[in-house]
Amino acid sequence: DTGVSQNPRHKITKRGQNVTFRCDPISEHNRLYWYRQTLGQGPEFLTYFQNEAQLEKSRLLSDRFSAERPKGSFSTLEIQRTEQGDSAMYLCASSSGQGYEKLFFGSGTQLSVL
Amino acid sequence: KQEVTQIPAALSVPEGENLVLNCSFTDSAIYNLQWFRQDPGKGLTSLLLIQSSQREQTSGRLNASLDKSSGRSTLYIAASQPGDSATYLCAVGHYGQNFVFGPGTRLSVLP
Repeated sequence: DTGVSQNPRHKITKRGQNVTFRCDPISEHNRLYWYRQTLGQGPEFLTYFQNEAQLEKSRLLSDRFSAERPKGSFSTLEIQRTEQGDSAMYLCASSSGQGYEKLFFGSGTQLSVL
Repeated sequence: KQEVTQIPAALSVPEGENLVLNCSFTDSAIYNLQWFRQDPGKGLTSLLLIQSSQREQTSGRLNASLDKSSGRSTLYIAASQPGDSATYLCAVGHYGQNFVFGPGTRLSVLP
């Protein structure tokens, strides 16, 4: 069990650029979640996958955001045409079973949009 | 829509004190509740998970209780230590859905 891994740890980009983050969940976990967190707030749900199927997507997630989980393993989160308001910590979490179990989080990717 | 609040927003205590953190939620039809710890700039670490059929869970100096009908959970930390300084968040889970987080309580334990 190597834990949930997220890359990169930090990303600085200019407004209007596209960015992609990667998450490698714990190997036997079939559920994978993406959350976004800003300073002083709790994580805000973005989307989650059961294996390769994307089961829920937050209404807060504009069409500039897209997530994939090919083959039910790692996942990527892409933000197109970044805006300054996208600056946040992007957190990935995974769990086993049907989502009733503990969530295991990665260390996050800190995005700064200049 | 589920809303989760946590009181207090921040707490500072001297080392050795017992303390209680509170979590409230508006929709009592939850499946479980988790308490997490977050250190600055880091991800979250799950501390305790309480299923809706349970009343409490214990791990070491931590004890979490759940009163589903009143929409409340408490996290009790016994004999606090400086290493307990962190932000503590609760999250409620619904059947087959995502988890909804509270804003957290920032705890400082002074040596």
